[in-house]
Amino acid sequence: GAGVSQTPSNKVTEKGKYVELRCDPISGHTALYWYRQSLGQGPEFLIYFQGTGAADDSGLPNDRFFAVRPEGSVSTLKIQRTERGDSAVYLCASSLMGGDYEQYFGPGTRLTVT
Amino acid sequence: DAKTTQPTSMDCAEGRAANLPCNHSTISGNEYVYWYRQIHSQGPQYIIHGLKNNETNEMASLIITEDRKSSTLILPHATLRDTAVYYCIVRSGGSNYKLTFGKGTLLTVNP
Repeated sequence: GAGVSQTPSNKVTEKGKYVELRCDPISGHTALYWYRQSLGQGPEFLIYFQGTGAADDSGLPNDRFFAVRPEGSVSTLKIQRTERGDSAVYLCASSLMGGDYEQYFGPGTRLTVT
Repeated sequence: DAKTTQPTSMDCAEGRAANLPCNHSTISGNEYVYWYRQIHSQGPQYIIHGLKNNETNEMASLIITEDRKSSTLILPHATLRDTAVYYCIVRSGGSNYKLTFGKGTLLTVNP
């Protein structure tokens, strides 16, 4: 079956611009996660959704970052006033439920801020 | 969640067993050991997890020491496609959902 998909696969934007990154989780998965991976590092947790609500957004680095999941399926990560330090691969994962369930990751969106 | 320590890199010959170690000396009783791997330019992929008993699935085996302070992931017959970064993660059971990744071990399988 279809896995987690993320669009776009690559995004280049200028400093100060607004970007949206999209995640389509596996159908039926209620839990959705966003991670960010900088070069040479492991992925770093950003936010966790259970259904439509953000159960934990403690990993969001500042208030320029925001994520939504209005219908409990597709999620959008929004970054305002992008900075060069936001350049990274943004990974989305979903799982059947939260907790111990295996997380399935998408291929990521590579964001480059020039 | 407990911190883990892994070697930065390892090499393995194709067809041989790859044994990837992980130290987690501060692990507590309700924490599981998870392994994920990340092939270049892809998202991480779940491999296996365990609490205290050894586990085996179609991908790998997980050996956890009796004191649970360390574990070894075994790929019994490594192939070139197993070249990846392997992450050992210790995670609380139940409602804990975050995966806290370190830098992992880059396993290179050589022909």
